Amino acid sequence: GAGVSQSPSNKVTEKGKDVELRCDPISGHTALYWYRQSLGQGLEFLIYFQGNSAPDKSGLPSDRFSAERTGGSVSTLTIQRTQQEDSAVYLCASSSPGSDTQYFGPGTRLTVL
Amino acid sequence: QQQVKQSPQSLIVQKGGISIINCAYENTAFDYFPWYQQFPGKGPALLIAIRPDVSEKKEGRFTISFNKSAKQFSLHIMDSQPGDSATYFCAASKAAGNKLTFGGGTRVLVKP
Repeated sequence: GAGVSQSPSNKVTEKGKDVELRCDPISGHTALYWYRQSLGQGLEFLIYFQGNSAPDKSGLPSDRFSAERTGGSVSTLTIQRTQQEDSAVYLCASSSPGSDTQYFGPGTRLTVL
Repeated sequence: QQQVKQSPQSLIVQKGGISIINCAYENTAFDYFPWYQQFPGKGPALLIAIRPDVSEKKEGRFTISFNKSAKQFSLHIMDSQPGDSATYFCAASKAAGNKLTFGGGTRVLVKP
């Protein structure tokens, strides 16, 4: 079956611009996670959605970062006024109800010039 | 504040050899410990996972050893193959379906 998909696969933007990254989780998966992978910080948690519960935003690095999940499925991560330190690979993962396993998408490579 | 420490950062092993990667954690509330494998340009994929009530888990050539008192766990790759060349991440979480805290990663190169 289809895995987690993310778009775009690559995004190059200029400092100060806003960007939107999209994640389509595996069908039926109620939990959705965003992580960031960078050379300096490794893999770090950003935000977690579980069903209709309030999201866990504890990993968002600043108020320039936000995410939403519409209809319990697709999620969009928005970064406002991008900075060079935002350059990283943004990974989305999803998991099915009651499961430990998180399935990752291929990521979006963001480059801020 | 690094809650999961992973070593070594890189590892070179001959084909057929054993690769050993170690992780140590600080938070005793962690109760789920997965290992992920990542190839260049791909997202991480779950390799094997363990819970604290078990000291060892084996799946094929991959074995996790877990030491609760020492707050350490390790991945052993037996009979390493060139196709195992990848970056390996240990991780930990407090409960099923919860956010993962990752180690820094180990780049493994298996030489033919």
